[in-house]
Amino acid sequence: ETGVTQTPRHLVMGMTNKKSLKCEQHLGHNAMYWYKQSAKKPLELMFVYNFKEQTENNSVPSRFSPECPNSSHLFLHLHTLQPEDSALYLCASSRVGNSYNEQFFGPGTRLTVL
Amino acid sequence: KQEVTQIPAALSVPEGENLVLNCSFTDSAIYNLQWFRQDPGKGLTSLLLIQSSQREQTSGRLNASLDKSSGRSTLYIAASQPGDSATYLCAVRRGGETSGSRLTFGEGTQLTVNP
Repeated sequence: ETGVTQTPRHLVMGMTNKKSLKCEQHLGHNAMYWYKQSAKKPLELMFVYNFKEQTENNSVPSRFSPECPNSSHLFLHLHTLQPEDSALYLCASSRVGNSYNEQFFGPGTRLTVL
Repeated sequence: KQEVTQIPAALSVPEGENLVLNCSFTDSAIYNLQWFRQDPGKGLTSLLLIQSSQREQTSGRLNASLDKSSGRSTLYIAASQPGDSATYLCAVRRGGETSGSRLTFGEGTQLTVNP
């Protein structure tokens, strides 16, 4: 396990449900990321937060709503999802200002939308 | 737009064999390149990170090389073991931004090492 934790690890939800994914990093990093990994596709960057400010929204539908209350916590609020949103959602963190800016990933949340 | 390609998509080898995984990228203006390992249904584990000014990095039985001008990187695994079975992902970070790193990933190479 890394210094990045994600809960829940598995989530099944209907299209009318509202749920939230949580990510927490214990590495003292100041940037956090949400990625989506669908079957047979490369990881897709969804959102980037730097010092709690959203610096990138990669054309993500509004049914995905991120929240970053502080540099250690990142949420992804989900509502009225579609079956094609079923995927592994990965959170990552890094230290901006460090020349390496290496990203460390959490274990992911496996989401199934019925 | 940066595109990252990994060849082969899948590889099956007997235990003990040395092997090479390939990664190519279309835009050579990268800041660094990172190799990850992903076990089924799990998150990513960083293996090696190579800065654009470096030629290679080594960690144990792993050696990653970078030829930035030709847009290629290789991951060499020596004396492969069944525990090396996983999907290996290559990701490049584009240069210039200071507010977080944007990684572009390849689709990965699924490696199976048979006992």
